[in-house]
Amino acid sequence: KAGVTQTPRYLIKTRGQQVTLSCSPISGHRSVSWYQQTPGQGLQFLFEYFSETQRNKGNFPGRFSGRQFSNSRSEMNVSTLELGDSALYLCASSRGGRGTDTQYFGPGTRLTVL
Amino acid sequence: AQSVTQPDIHITVSEGASLELRCNYSYGATPYLFWYVQSPGQGLQLLLKYFSGDTLVQGIKGFEAEFKRSQSSFNLRKPSVHWSDAAEYFCAVASSNTGNQFYFGTGTSLTVIP
Repeated sequence: KAGVTQTPRYLIKTRGQQVTLSCSPISGHRSVSWYQQTPGQGLQFLFEYFSETQRNKGNFPGRFSGRQFSNSRSEMNVSTLELGDSALYLCASSRGGRGTDTQYFGPGTRLTVL
Repeated sequence: AQSVTQPDIHITVSEGASLELRCNYSYGATPYLFWYVQSPGQGLQLLLKYFSGDTLVQGIKGFEAEFKRSQSSFNLRKPSVHWSDAAEYFCAVASSNTGNQFYFGTGTSLTVIP
């Protein structure tokens, strides 16, 4: 079974621009979560989508948004990029449903903001 | 508030030696606990997880971890380290109250010397 895929793997943007990252979950998984990883803050939860609905949200500003499609693929958008948004963005998928489930991570998208 | 502490930022061990990585959590509810490993430039790979039952859990690559509720700990162990184990290790906690919102520790970087 194919794993979680993320595209693109690397991105370079300038301040003020916006960016969209994509995540395709493992086949049959309905939950997609997004995390930001930085050397200073570590791994921080952004949000989770399940059945096209945001089910959980972390403490990030509204510039960070996401959505999920009917095939469970998810996109994350960051508007008005700031230097501090430079990070590795990781997507994780799980079967979904109630409660906590094991999450399987993709390789990440490395975003650099200049 | 939920939190995870990995007291050791960096550990160096000789190949063939035993390994123990520490993880302490602060959580009000019954925790679900995970260990993930991250190689440079890669996403997170699940090593093992604890949801309930036997407090000693076995994972992949010869790793095991023991859940000790009285100490709020979930330490990762391996009896004999291989050079390929060099990576960053993350402990994570979640609960039925938080669904798939995982809280991660800051990670422990493992160096293996020949």
